[in-house]
Amino acid sequence: KNQVEQSPQSLIILEGKNCTLQCNYTVSPFSNLRWYKQDTGRGPVSLTIMTFSENTKSNGRYTATLDADTKQSSLHITASQLSDSASYICVVRGYSGGGADGLTFGKGTHLIIQP
Amino acid sequence: IAGITQAPTSQILAAGRRMTLRCTQDMRHNAMYWYRQDLGLGLRLIHYSNTAGTTGKGEVPDGYSVSRANTDDFPLTLASAVPSQTSVYFCASKREREGGELFFGEGSRLTVL
Repeated sequence: KNQVEQSPQSLIILEGKNCTLQCNYTVSPFSNLRWYKQDTGRGPVSLTIMTFSENTKSNGRYTATLDADTKQSSLHITASQLSDSASYICVVRGYSGGGADGLTFGKGTHLIIQP
Repeated sequence: IAGITQAPTSQILAAGRRMTLRCTQDMRHNAMYWYRQDLGLGLRLIHYSNTAGTTGKGEVPDGYSVSRANTDDFPLTLASAVPSQTSVYFCASKREREGGELFFGEGSRLTVL
């Protein structure tokens, strides 16, 4: 069964500090992996996409990594800001032969940045 | 309208009542989805539509129905609401290019009493 596990479940850090969120998956065959940011009371928004051939990709202060061999991804946030407080959801797409979304969602990491 | 619009934003509903959550997109995406998000369970797929005129069941379809009469609209109906359907509902559409990014609405918070 395809699964996506995220850790930690929740995290509290001080403003200005760095943090790393983890995502382990068992989706096969693998197509791509996305990190979404979901602000409280809002819908998720894509931060970055990782494909099989990509090891690292940055989007401002966000840097995602992918190790396709170990089936692990991480999202590193540098110099955190209060606006980074949100849930971060890892979503893995597999090649599906059917008509469903082909996606497996992690349950998210709830990040709180304290001033 | 820009992106995905959902209505209502929130609703309190008596058990047994019928409710339709509306979803409209202006991006001309073919594929649309309805998810529910519950604490500790994450986002779960209820129903989907790959193109106008077609629909399919997701992971948790029981008690819900959808229709897709045109590209832009994808309403979700609860025929007879039950308390276990208390949740936040998200509609999304998929951009086919660039790995299939999902664009989500702002959600509809439904409470069934």
